[in-house]
Amino acid sequence: DGGITQSPKYLFRKEGQNVTLSCEQNLNHDAMYWYRQDPGQGLRLIYYSQIVNDFQKGDIAEGYSVSREKKESFPLTVTSAQKNPTAFYLCASSTVGKNIQYFGAGTRLSVL
Amino acid sequence: SQELEQSPQSLIVQEGKNLTINCTSSKTLYGLYWYKQKYGEGLIFLMMLQKGGEEKSHEKITAKLDEKKQQSSLHITASQPSHAGIYLCGADRASGTYKYIFGTGTRLKVLA
Repeated sequence: DGGITQSPKYLFRKEGQNVTLSCEQNLNHDAMYWYRQDPGQGLRLIYYSQIVNDFQKGDIAEGYSVSREKKESFPLTVTSAQKNPTAFYLCASSTVGKNIQYFGAGTRLSVL
Repeated sequence: SQELEQSPQSLIVQEGKNLTINCTSSKTLYGLYWYKQKYGEGLIFLMMLQKGGEEKSHEKITAKLDEKKQQSSLHITASQPSHAGIYLCGADRASGTYKYIFGTGTRLKVLA
């Protein structure tokens, strides 16, 4: 079955540590996205990529980094510069010409 | 910048009752998307609306976009416990853009 796989489901970060969240899709979608979800605040866009080897900052990119070396993969690194990383992170993808975004199951990140 | 306001923020209904969730935009909507989210999980795409006056239905859920394309409603007929979750509306930030803006969500609980 086609879909978007996020891993791990739960992740814990220590102070000063960088952590990487994985997002893989087999839908052959060109565009991929990372969102952060906090209680009562809906989803906020962190980074997005419309094509391999290209990505743009979203609304809250500070303290995060991404790469898009393969069409299927769009990993998100939460760096130590992100002072409040505790949140639910969602990855999505969409195809060119039909902007319906399909989401993974999410990764819940907490700080130890 | 565009904002999406959802109302109500939360809703508790008795099984079998009808309900409506609203999504209001501060600007013209180019594409409006409804999603459902179970707590701690990813978003499931429900419906997309693009044209003023458009209405779509799937099983017991009907979504409408008003003629002015600034408000959408999601109506559930004869609610069931399986309808419980968080309903989010999302919208294209501009015509032809890949990026969404999301509402803050409506939390629905259905009492059996």
